[in-house]
Amino acid sequence: AQSVAQPEDQVNVAEGNPLTVKCTYSVSGNPYLFWYVQYPNRGLQFLLKYITGDNLVKGSYGFEAEFNKSQTSFHLKKPSALVSDSALYFCAVKGGEGSQGNLIFGKGTKLSVKP
Amino acid sequence: DTGVSQNPRHKITKRGQNVTFRCDPISEHNRLYWYRQTLGQGPEFLTYFQNEAQLEKSRLLSDRFSAERPKGSFSTLEIQRTEQGDSAMYLCASSFIPGNNEQFFGPGTRLTVL
Repeated sequence: AQSVAQPEDQVNVAEGNPLTVKCTYSVSGNPYLFWYVQYPNRGLQFLLKYITGDNLVKGSYGFEAEFNKSQTSFHLKKPSALVSDSALYFCAVKGGEGSQGNLIFGKGTKLSVKP
Repeated sequence: DTGVSQNPRHKITKRGQNVTFRCDPISEHNRLYWYRQTLGQGPEFLTYFQNEAQLEKSRLLSDRFSAERPKGSFSTLEIQRTEQGDSAMYLCASSFIPGNNEQFFGPGTRLTVL
């Protein structure tokens, strides 16, 4: 069965410091991996995805994520955090070609960036 | 705004009543998905359509839930005889297949069952 784990309920960082939000996955075949962000009272916004190719994926708002097949991880990173990055972050996975179309989401990680 | 829209944004109902939500996807998208999100959890898949065909239903979608996409454009999600456990945010998303694979989400409909 496909699954996603986000081991941290909350991540706290100081503004200007690098941030990492962790995600590990379990899926048969080649995974399609996604990160979404959710601000209060708003829908999920797409940040970035890994389908194939370069293991380092760059996305919106300066975020990037590294696909590591051996560790089945897809951690979200940003070199310098902003207070405005404070939000709820979700990792999601979909099986590759031939799989069902829906996304499997993690429980989410609350990112808090302090000035 | 050409994003995914959902109506209503909020719905408060009494237990036992029926409710219906609407989702309008991005116009050229052929896939439409429904998810449910409860507090402290990630979205959970309910069902999805490709054009007007309902291709997959989650075990979460009990007999009280029904979804339609009659013309392959907008979709409705109906919950009959609502229960307090149905209280959640109901999210709609759309995508284009074959294509970029990412799903674009609407703002959601928050349902409160009293």
